Amino acid sequence: GAGVSQSPRYKVAKRGQDVALRCDPISGHVSLFWYQQALGQGPEFLTYFQNEAQLDKSGLPSDRFFAERPEGSVSTLKIQRTQQEDSAVYLCASSLHAGEQYFGPGTRLTVT
Amino acid sequence: AQRVTQPEKLLSVFKGAPVELKCNYSYSGSPELFWYVQYSRQRLQLLLRHISRESIKGFTADLNKGETSFHLKKPFAQEEDSAMYYCALGYKGYSTLTFGKGTMLLVSP
Repeated sequence: GAGVSQSPRYKVAKRGQDVALRCDPISGHVSLFWYQQALGQGPEFLTYFQNEAQLDKSGLPSDRFFAERPEGSVSTLKIQRTQQEDSAVYLCASSLHAGEQYFGPGTRLTVT
Repeated sequence: AQRVTQPEKLLSVFKGAPVELKCNYSYSGSPELFWYVQYSRQRLQLLLRHISRESIKGFTADLNKGETSFHLKKPFAQEEDSAMYYCALGYKGYSTLTFGKGTMLLVSP
């Protein structure tokens, strides 16, 4: 079956622009995670959803970052007024409850 | 706070040689440990988790709570093992993951 998909795969934004990154999890997966992976680093946790409820947003680096999953399926990560330090690969993962996480291909964001 | 350390950025071995990728963790609770792998141009995928105690693609990893380690081992490396390997610690009950910085394994013919 289809895995986790993310769009766009690549995004270039000028500093100060807003961006929206989309994640389509595996159908039926209750849990959804967002991670940020800077160059040369491992993925870092941003936020977690269980169905439509955002249960943990402790990893969001600033109030410019906002995530939603209104119907418990597709999720969007929004970054307002992008800064150069936001340049990274943003990974989405989904899982059945607390099981194995299945990762998407990521969105590479470059802020110029 | 939880932390995962992978001391080697790059590990280069010849085909048929033994491989050990090191991982140490710091966590006050009961840890769940994982190894994830990313092959070239592919997405991150689970290789193995300590709970299942499986051997996947010839790799094994044993959780050593005394040494707070979860090293990944394979007795005879293959060229197709070349990839980026991440050790990860699951916590908060729903397995939010803390990753190490990763080790690139290069297996030469």
